Amino acid sequence: GENVEQHPSTLSVQEGDSAVIKCTYSDSASNYFPWYKQELGKRPQLIIDIRSNVGEKKDQRIAVTLNKTAKHFSLHITETQPEDSAVYFCAASITDSWGKLQFGAGTQVVVTP
Amino acid sequence: DGGITQSPKYLFRKEGQNVTLSCEQNLNHDAMYWYRQDPGQGLRLIYYSQIVNDFQKGDIAEGYSVSREKKESFPLTVTSAQKNPTAFYLCASSSGLPRGYGYTFGSGTRLTIV
Repeated sequence: GENVEQHPSTLSVQEGDSAVIKCTYSDSASNYFPWYKQELGKRPQLIIDIRSNVGEKKDQRIAVTLNKTAKHFSLHITETQPEDSAVYFCAASITDSWGKLQFGAGTQVVVTP
Repeated sequence: DGGITQSPKYLFRKEGQNVTLSCEQNLNHDAMYWYRQDPGQGLRLIYYSQIVNDFQKGDIAEGYSVSREKKESFPLTVTSAQKNPTAFYLCASSSGLPRGYGYTFGSGTRLTIV
């Protein structure tokens, strides 16, 4: 089955700097890659996703890149703010096969003022 | 609360007791999923269901059971066979094809075995 690895497990950045989280996946058939943000005590919320037919997607300060050949994808947060502090999860799935998401272990991001 | 409701928010049970976690959605989503969240391990899939009266085991199904008698409801029972049930449990749902897009999560149930 699919295996998703996520690095780093913790990331501390100064406010205004950029943060990058990287994930690798094992199943070359995976074609959908969402990122979730989970604030303390709350439910995970989708922040951005990318499908395998594109290499990059951007939404304001957040961007995701996908390298299908290397089987890795990354989340980039620019101009970080204290409210970006949370746990971020990457995930991968095959959308024609039950749609079940396989999650990475998560990255705790701390943005210090 | 986002269209998918989990109850209760906190649950305490004694060892050896079965306990059922509720998950209800009014999003008209076909697919529903149960995940377990432990510190440092991300979310692990317990069970999932695409249609009423059908469900499949996920990666860590041992010690758990589910039912899908109604489209809106996907309860999870944690049985006494689950060796380490203390965890945060998340239910999710998603719309139809392409499957997996647009997961909506419930707010979770924190289960503690005392």
